[in-house]
Amino acid sequence: EDQVTQSPEALRLQEGESSSLNCSYTVSGLRGLFWYRQDPGKGPEFLFTLYSAGEEKEKERLKATLTKKESFLHITAPKPEDSATYLCAVQAGNTPLVFGKGTRLSVIA
Amino acid sequence: KAGVTQTPRYLIKTRGQQVTLSCSPISGHRSVSWYQQTPGQGLQFLFEYFSETQRNKGNFPGRFSGRQFSNSRSEMNVSTLELGDSALYLCASSILGSGSNAYEQYFGPGTRLTVT
Repeated sequence: EDQVTQSPEALRLQEGESSSLNCSYTVSGLRGLFWYRQDPGKGPEFLFTLYSAGEEKEKERLKATLTKKESFLHITAPKPEDSATYLCAVQAGNTPLVFGKGTRLSVIA
Repeated sequence: KAGVTQTPRYLIKTRGQQVTLSCSPISGHRSVSWYQQTPGQGLQFLFEYFSETQRNKGNFPGRFSGRQFSNSRSEMNVSTLELGDSALYLCASSILGSGSNAYEQYFGPGTRLTVT
């Protein structure tokens, strides 16, 4: 069974304190790994797609990387507006996306 | 391009009633997926439609059903509502990512269903 585990469950950072969120996965035939940002009461906002090990993508203060077993979302010099839940999901074969439970990030000014 | 739209945004129903939620995908997207999100279970897949055909179905009881129309708009229906059906219901439309064989999903704002 495809599984996605995100850690930590919650992370509290001071403004400017860089850190990383982890997404480990076990799937057969990965087609893509996706990162989303979700604010309370809203739908997830698409951030990145990663397709193969070694791939990296960046957007503002966020950088996503992928290995054969896990992905990291690096947040450099975060600001309070980066506070949200970050979700990771994988797609394998013709099966639906499988989501992790997410990491709740709080950035304190 | 307009994003995914969902109606209604908020809904309060009584146990035993039924409800229909609507989703309009991004123009040009032919695949629509539905998810249930609760604090305890996270995002759980309900079903996926592509060109009016159900392509995948999650582990939900038969009270949950859906359909897709020829214009790609989709509806989901929940009959005989239970208290545990209270959740945020999310619709996502998807398109093949550039240079890949993975479908990128874009979510709507969701419908917040409360069952009393």
